[in-house]
Formats: sequence, C-alpha cells, structure tokens
Amino acid sequence: GDSVTQMEGPVTLSEEAFLTINCTYTATGYPSLFWYVQYPGEGLQLLLKATKADDKGSNKGFEATYRKETTSFHLEKGSVQVSDSAVYFCALSPNSGNTPLVFGKGTRLSVIA
Amino acid sequence: GAVVSQHPSRVICKSGTSVKIECRSLDFQATTMFWYRQFPKQSLMLMATSNEGSKATYEQGVEKDKFLINHASLTLSTLTVTSAHPEDSSFYICSARAGQDGTDTQYFGPGTRLTVL
Repeated sequence: GDSVTQMEGPVTLSEEAFLTINCTYTATGYPSLFWYVQYPGEGLQLLLKATKADDKGSNKGFEATYRKETTSFHLEKGSVQVSDSAVYFCALSPNSGNTPLVFGKGTRLSVIA
Repeated sequence: GAVVSQHPSRVICKSGTSVKIECRSLDFQATTMFWYRQFPKQSLMLMATSNEGSKATYEQGVEKDKFLINHASLTLSTLTVTSAHPEDSSFYICSARAGQDGTDTQYFGPGTRLTVL
C-alpha cells in the first residue's frame, strides 16, 4: 500500500541554519503531497502542498518540490528561526476516491538561539 | 485557508462517563471528516472516516460502539467516547475535507485533550 517515510528526529539546529527534512513516498498513481506542521499542544496546520510532478509548494520560507523520479518531497528552509520549532509531518493523498491522508511518523525540529 | 474548530479543547472526566467532542468546519462544507488519535510524541492514528449523512467507516481495531461518530451536517461531526476509561486519555484531532477527491486539502482542528481519571 501507499506509505510515507521521513527522516527520524529529533533535529536540532542553531538559528539561521539551513533546514532539510527528507521525505520519500511509495504510491500507485499520482498522489498529492503535503507538509503539515504541529506546534506544541496544537493540531496540524497545512504548511504547503504540491499536486503534480515538478510542482513546488512554498510558504513562510519553506519549500518542497514534488520529484516523481526520486519519489521525494523534501522540506527545506534557508534560515530557520526559534519559532519554527515544531513537529513536521509529510503526507500523501492517494487521489483515488475518498481516502484519508497517509502520514509519515513526523520529525521534531528544535531551533536554538 | 479553511478553518476547522474543535470543542472542547480540553476535558477531564471521571472513569465511566461519556464525553462528546465537536468538530466544525467554519467556512466551508465538509463532505468528509476524519477523526484521529495521537499519543505523545507519535504520529496520528486514523480512527474513522465519516461522510455526511452516512455511517462512519472505522479503522481496524477501533471499537465503533465505544467511539460513536455522527456526521449530521456538512459542517459538524461529533465523536462521543462512551464509558471512558483512563486508557482512552489521548489527544483527539479531527480534520475536514471539502470534497471526495484526494486532491482536496484536509484541514485540521486544534485538537481536544481528553484526560480520564
């Protein structure tokens, strides 16, 4: 079945460092891909998405490009801030009928000043 | 983006009581809503999928008689934890999707933390 694999955390970075969180997927067909962020004690917020190959999603300085050839959707940010500390979830939607998202296990990011 | 609310945000109850959690889509009609459970420092576990006007589809291992789901309208779904016990303590999150097409984005509520004493 469909699955999402993302790098295990926790990831600890200094402020203004470059961030990459790897995400790869396995799916039949052409899924849509998402990154969600969860701040402590809160629900998930959509960070960005891409619905087809070569699309780039971006928001709040974060970017991810849908790479069909490598089945990847890595999340990047050029300069992280302390306020970016959160758990990041990569997810895919199979795009076949009324199916729920398939989530990765989440990557906890801590940014220190 | 679209907004999904949950109520209450936090609830503490005694063992054996029932607790109802509401999930509302505030600015769109949600054909489909999902209920998740999240344990500390873990990913989300899908409990059930509910479509407006029809019975919810539960994931394997989720007791449908214990976790009652009602999707009475296009903007409201409720999860009732019946006869709650301490092991039901968890963070419950709902999400809503406007259509039945996987390209539609799922928007999540802020979550409800349930503590059963």
